[in-house]
Amino acid sequence: AQSVAQPEDQVNVAEGNPLTVKCTYSVSGNPYLFWYVQYPNRGLQFLLKYITGDNLVKGSYGFEAEFNKSQTSFHLKKPSALVSDSALYFCAVRDPTGTASKLTFGTGTRLQVTL
Amino acid sequence: EAGVAQSPRYKIIEKRQSVAFWCNPISGHATLYWYQQILGQGPKLLIQFQNNGVVDDSQLPKDRFSAERLKGVDSTLKIQPAKLEDSAVYLCASSHLQGASLNEQFFGPGTRLTVL
Repeated sequence: AQSVAQPEDQVNVAEGNPLTVKCTYSVSGNPYLFWYVQYPNRGLQFLLKYITGDNLVKGSYGFEAEFNKSQTSFHLKKPSALVSDSALYFCAVRDPTGTASKLTFGTGTRLQVTL
Repeated sequence: EAGVAQSPRYKIIEKRQSVAFWCNPISGHATLYWYQQILGQGPKLLIQFQNNGVVDDSQLPKDRFSAERLKGVDSTLKIQPAKLEDSAVYLCASSHLQGASLNEQFFGPGTRLTVL
């Protein structure tokens, strides 16, 4: 069965500093990996995905993520954090072998960016 | 492009009552998903439709939950009777295609259900 772990409930970073939100996964075969962001009282918004190819994936709002197969990780990164980046971030994995496109989400990491 | 619409946004009911949620996906999106997001957890897929057919309902508690997408567009999720543990945000999402297409899912704002 596929699963995702987000080991940090919350990440605190000062505006202008780099940020990293961690994600590790478990899936049979090659994973399809996603990051979504959730702002208060709003639905999840897609940030980026890794399917194949370059291990460094660039997404919306200046975010990027690095796929590391040996460490089974897909950490979300941004070189310079903004206060407006404060939100709840979810990592998700998709089973590439099934007929359904089911996403399995992690428990989320709350990012708090302060001035 | 209009987003995924859901209603109501909030609902408070007592246990053993019934409740229904409505979702209108993005126009042209064949695939529709219902997720349950309990506080402090990630969204969990309840059911996935491809047009008006069910693709995956393995995590839907079928003794009390039901969903339909009769014309392949709008969808309704019903809980009857509700339990305290059903308190959650119910998210609807849609995407162009399932499987190899790997298009991202677009989520609605959700319906926050509180069962007292």
